[in-house]
Amino acid sequence: SQQGEEDPQALSIQEGENATMNCSYKTSINNLQWYRQNSGRGLVHLILIRSNEREKHSGRLRVTLDTSKKSSSLLITASRAADTASYFCATDVGGTASKLTFGTGTRLQVTL
Amino acid sequence: SQTIHQWPATLVQPVGSPLSLECTVEGTSNPNLYWYRQAAGRGLQLLFYSVGIGQISSEVPQNLSASRPQDRQFILSSKKLLLSDSGFYLCAWSRVYEKLFFGSGTQLSVL
Repeated sequence: SQQGEEDPQALSIQEGENATMNCSYKTSINNLQWYRQNSGRGLVHLILIRSNEREKHSGRLRVTLDTSKKSSSLLITASRAADTASYFCATDVGGTASKLTFGTGTRLQVTL
Repeated sequence: SQTIHQWPATLVQPVGSPLSLECTVEGTSNPNLYWYRQAAGRGLQLLFYSVGIGQISSEVPQNLSASRPQDRQFILSSKKLLLSDSGFYLCAWSRVYEKLFFGSGTQLSVL
């Protein structure tokens, strides 16, 4: 079963607006990661937040983590048409390998 | 710098035919290696992972197998493909507890 579930499944905004995507998961985690996927391509890592962290920033990206609610959010500020992609959260419960469990993703469409 | 190569990009195979997808990593040693499958419009499902040569862990029972004959080479195989094996296959590598680096993927269509 999927550990992470993203919400919404699809999001359409205009360039310059902010986009917020949410992720919920079910079990305790070591870290949570967000990835981006352009259509028909591999995934690209965006940001990793560890279980003892509450917020992290990278450029126009802001990620929050609430382990008590088992949820995370990804905020993209001042969106651009090039941000159009699918965004996935992935949870790592620890162990000898980074066995990430991915959610079903949020499809973001940024229009001019 | 590290790079990951995955081929072929697309593959159309008849039901019952064999499969071999190859993935190689450059610029790092003893990486953790992974095979994921993505159904259309869905998230990724972990199929196999490997923490060393000859060490393969399977996450789901299926018609596929994986092998790691060399430190930076990971192969996904099947003796007889099923229609349900169609999907987008992604190879990835990582160091422990860190992010994954993905290949460009193979779109497999079994007809």
